[in-house]
Amino acid sequence: AQTVTQSQPEMSVQEAETVTLSCTYDTSESDYYLFWYKQPPSRQMILVIRQEAYKQQNATENRFSVNFQKAAKSFSLKISDSQLGDAAMYFCAYRSRDDKIIFGKGTRLHILP
Amino acid sequence: NAGVMQNPRHLVRRRGQEARLRCSPVKGHSHVYWYRQLPEEGLKFMVYLQKENIIDESGMPKERFSAEFPKEGPSILRIQQVVRGDSAAYFCASSPTTTRRGAQHYEQYFGPGTRLTVT
Repeated sequence: AQTVTQSQPEMSVQEAETVTLSCTYDTSESDYYLFWYKQPPSRQMILVIRQEAYKQQNATENRFSVNFQKAAKSFSLKISDSQLGDAAMYFCAYRSRDDKIIFGKGTRLHILP
Repeated sequence: NAGVMQNPRHLVRRRGQEARLRCSPVKGHSHVYWYRQLPEEGLKFMVYLQKENIIDESGMPKERFSAEFPKEGPSILRIQQVVRGDSAAYFCASSPTTTRRGAQHYEQYFGPGTRLTVT
């Protein structure tokens, strides 16, 4: 069975600085998708970024980028120029071929003004 | 383009009562997924439905929980005889088809969730 592990329950970063959130996963599949979701206090799940496993190029979305290491089964999220609105829970997630999304336990990100 | 709608947003039930959670998918979406989020946890898959069919219910507790997605109307997640441990946020997501069809990728769009509190 697939698993997703986020080893950092909480992190803090100074406004305008860069922060990296870690994620590792375990799977025997070769074709899958990885995601980072943001969950603000409203609890709405917001897709931040998506990575297809067959693509070697790391995905980027404005200030958000990932470091995808397929062999190491690592998928970290880098947030550049952190803003107060980035404060939220961040979930790393894996989607298998059967369409289920498997989430990590999350990392709570605090932005220090 | 209305997103996924869930109601109610908040639901309070006493132990032993029934809880019915509704999910209206994005217009035109025929696939619905339910996830549960316990306090301080990530979301956990419960069930995947297509119109009038349950595709995968491997994450559903064997007793007291059921789900349906009728031909007309919203998807319903029903919890009978609720217990305190059922208190959680329940999220619904929808997609137009299976999220991977050939080379095309289809996103799962999440609703705002229903927070169930059992007293």
